[in-house]
Amino acid sequence: EPEVTQTPSHQVTQMGQEVILRCVPISNHLYFYWYRQILGQKVEFLVSFYNNEISEKSEIFDDQFSVERPDGSNFTLKIRSTKLEDSAMYFCASSGGGQEGAFSYEQYFGPGTRLTVT
Amino acid sequence: LAKTTQPISMDSYEGQEVNITCSHNNIATNDYITWYQQFPSQGPRFIIQGYKTKVTNEVASLFIPADRKSSTLSLPRVSLSDTAVYYCLVERRDDKIIFGKGTRLHILP
Repeated sequence: EPEVTQTPSHQVTQMGQEVILRCVPISNHLYFYWYRQILGQKVEFLVSFYNNEISEKSEIFDDQFSVERPDGSNFTLKIRSTKLEDSAMYFCASSGGGQEGAFSYEQYFGPGTRLTVT
Repeated sequence: LAKTTQPISMDSYEGQEVNITCSHNNIATNDYITWYQQFPSQGPRFIIQGYKTKVTNEVASLFIPADRKSSTLSLPRVSLSDTAVYYCLVERRDDKIIFGKGTRLHILP
């Protein structure tokens, strides 16, 4: 079964540093998402991406965050200057694949990147 | 987005059928009902999606009454490995997911 992959599985960084979280969505999918989950809390939507541009973003996704799909396969989330409160599990998801009449909208989530900001 | 209400937690025993009911009184015409499962430190995993009546796959069944204001996820013959958080979502299929707190299902031996 196809799957979404994410690297690294765990990233430790110091406050104020830039981090890039990487995702490889399922190859024929069209919609891409980033979510995060602070330990013990709900999964929160950050941003959705379609047709090479952001289609929607949440209040969490401020100017410190950016996303890119640089080469048609990777989908990255960059945090420019990390804060302690950015410590969380970050999940990439993709959806929207298949042929007409059998188009699948279910979101496939990656295993996550645990970001620890010290 | 329609708000959903589901039990905070449930306990059951191995081999039992588990039914988790979700209320979504304000569901819109173009909303679908979707259930996800999440194990600790893992990403949510799609279980099942439906619009009306009954949907069944190899993992679960989803029962949706005619008014669509509620739905029931049915897990047949659960095992210890079904211990997880289960999220009921009501959404347009091409939209972001807004997760609630879900139902913590604990399966006992």
